[in-house]
Amino acid sequence: DAMVIQNPRYQVTQFGKPVTLSCSQTLNHNVMYWYQQKSSQAPKLLFHYYDKDFNNEADTPDNFQSRRPNTSFCFLDIRSPGLGDAAMYLCATSSSWVGGNQPQHFGDGTRLSIL
Amino acid sequence: GQSLEQPSEVTAVEGAIVQINCTYQTSGFYGLSWYQQHDGGAPTFLSYNALDGLEETGRFSSFLSRSDSYGYLLLQELQMKDSASYFCAVNGAGGFKTIFGAGTRLFVKA
Repeated sequence: DAMVIQNPRYQVTQFGKPVTLSCSQTLNHNVMYWYQQKSSQAPKLLFHYYDKDFNNEADTPDNFQSRRPNTSFCFLDIRSPGLGDAAMYLCATSSSWVGGNQPQHFGDGTRLSIL
Repeated sequence: GQSLEQPSEVTAVEGAIVQINCTYQTSGFYGLSWYQQHDGGAPTFLSYNALDGLEETGRFSSFLSRSDSYGYLLLQELQMKDSASYFCAVNGAGGFKTIFGAGTRLFVKA
């Protein structure tokens, strides 16, 4: 089945130690998103790629970076994780069309813990 | 600013009908979506309304009134497995920026 896969499901890192989360998709969608979701809160968009064009949200900390080497893969790099970065990180994809860009297909997420 | 408001919690019994409302204030509007999320799981797309009116998909229906900046999700014949969080989301400026509401926690009781 076509899907969005995130690895790993659970990631533990140390305070200040760089960490990379990965996302792959077999849907061949041209738009990919990274969201941060903290407990009992809404998913918060960090950035998205439209094809190779990177779009950063204004309030996304500089600590967060992303790479999309090809259509299928997208990475979230957290350069110096702080305790406040502990959250679920969700990758999503969509196929762009005028106005809608729905639905978004989400991966199962990576739960990041900071020691 | 941009914001979406939806109730934080709703409780209903099996077999009942429940309506989850969502009001929004955004710069630019392409459509209103609804997502379901079970504890520990990923959000799953339920519906999308770009135009005014009612969209029906099985037991779930979604309504949009753009003039009122308002929509709702209607769940019929509730089942225990419908216990989850439901998020309304708006596609704003440019169509790609999706803003999620804080979510409504639905509890279905036997």
